[in-house]
Amino acid sequence: DAKTTQPPSMDCAEGRAANLPCNHSTISGNEYVYWYRQIHSQGPQYIIHGLKNNETNEMASLIITEDRKSSTLILPHATLRDTAVYYCIVRPRSNDYKLSFGAGTTVTVRA
Amino acid sequence: DTAVSQTPKYLVTQMGNDKSIKCEQNLGHDTMYWYKQDSKKFLKIMFSYNNKELIINETVPNRFSPKSPDKAHLNLHINSLELGDSAVYFCASSQDPGGTYNEQFFGPGTRLTVL
Repeated sequence: DAKTTQPPSMDCAEGRAANLPCNHSTISGNEYVYWYRQIHSQGPQYIIHGLKNNETNEMASLIITEDRKSSTLILPHATLRDTAVYYCIVRPRSNDYKLSFGAGTTVTVRA
Repeated sequence: DTAVSQTPKYLVTQMGNDKSIKCEQNLGHDTMYWYKQDSKKFLKIMFSYNNKELIINETVPNRFSPKSPDKAHLNLHINSLELGDSAVYFCASSQDPGGTYNEQFFGPGTRLTVL
């Protein structure tokens, strides 16, 4: 599976947009980009995923560069409850059941 | 209603004991997983079952034995517990593991402490 690189931590002001970068320069054509987050003492939670096009749902937006070597997760209006570790994961489209979690980015939203 | 539930939430036991962690999902999913999160917070997959069939076994010691009595349950039995087994164990499930949509739903975790 392609590896991902994320900054270890970042701070964000409450009410502002949080932009979380992820590099996946070795991504191949059949691999999706997934984002999960883990709030303290809870299980990971799915946020969004995409292949080529930008995606948006009720939680976040995912912007994937044209060459697909990097992506940005955008939390449009961060709240204190968005404080969590955010994981960017690359997964093949084929029958691959597992998610390979890296170290993620610890996002702290400050009032 | 809880989608993926695990019992117990906390488990403290002595080295050498045998223990089990239970997982149930009420989402109607076909695939279930066990992940281990160690003290450094890295989350690694251990096992995956699809329709009660073992799909993934990621170099986990054979002291760990998953058992899936039916699609809704995946239990984890651990023999001869060791200090290094102390971790948080997460159960998860998904509907379509190999397709284009593979959202995994995670349980709340079981914190295992081996003394």
